[in-house]
Amino acid sequence: EVQLVESGGGLVQPGGSLRLSCAASGFIFSSSWMSWVRQVPGKGLEWVAYIKQDGSETHYVDSVEGRFTISRDNAKNSLDLQMNSLRPEDTAVYYCAKGGWYPDFWGQGTLVTVSS
Amino acid sequence: EIVMTQSPAILSVSPGERATLSCRASQYISNNVAWYQQKPGQALRLLIYGASTGATGIPARFSGSGSGTEFTLTISGLQSEDFAVYYCQQYYNWPRTFGQGTKVEIK
Repeated sequence: EVQLVESGGGLVQPGGSLRLSCAASGFIFSSSWMSWVRQVPGKGLEWVAYIKQDGSETHYVDSVEGRFTISRDNAKNSLDLQMNSLRPEDTAVYYCAKGGWYPDFWGQGTLVTVSS
Repeated sequence: EIVMTQSPAILSVSPGERATLSCRASQYISNNVAWYQQKPGQALRLLIYGASTGATGIPARFSGSGSGTEFTLTISGLQSEDFAVYYCQQYYNWPRTFGQGTKVEIK
């Protein structure tokens, strides 16, 4: 059974940093593109970033370019999202997703709140 | 950035009836569209990719159609578990973008 479990969310002040992690199991992690997608509570979805199987290629939405870094550890079946210079508009539930085009499995998400 | 526009925002349907959800892309995207279902407290569920191919384990009552800029998700014979929010998403280019969602509610 595929499982994606996010962690690391919480309350952070504007300008602060947070690191999200996603523990993957039930599939060959090293063979899968992986993504982070976020959703403002009660609103729509925004694709934040995705990463190639070996980590050699990454893509970011313009609004997080230069502030967020997606990375992976295939030995640990883990996906991370380092978020720096956080802004109130980054407040959202962040989902880990398997795939880079049309993810076929999603985690339950972790809530990030940026507020003073 | 490709804008995906879904209609209607809310669709009221009686159990057993058919629901037809629409999605329009702001430019040509071939058949690079996926549909997802979201229920409160649950992970998103991939329903359709390639505009019309059902994902693994998805019931046959879910079907997709369209190409170019106009796409449709049809749910035939709505069941109680189908009342949820549905999103379309394009993967023709980066950034991947989603529609704003259609909520299918019980009439």
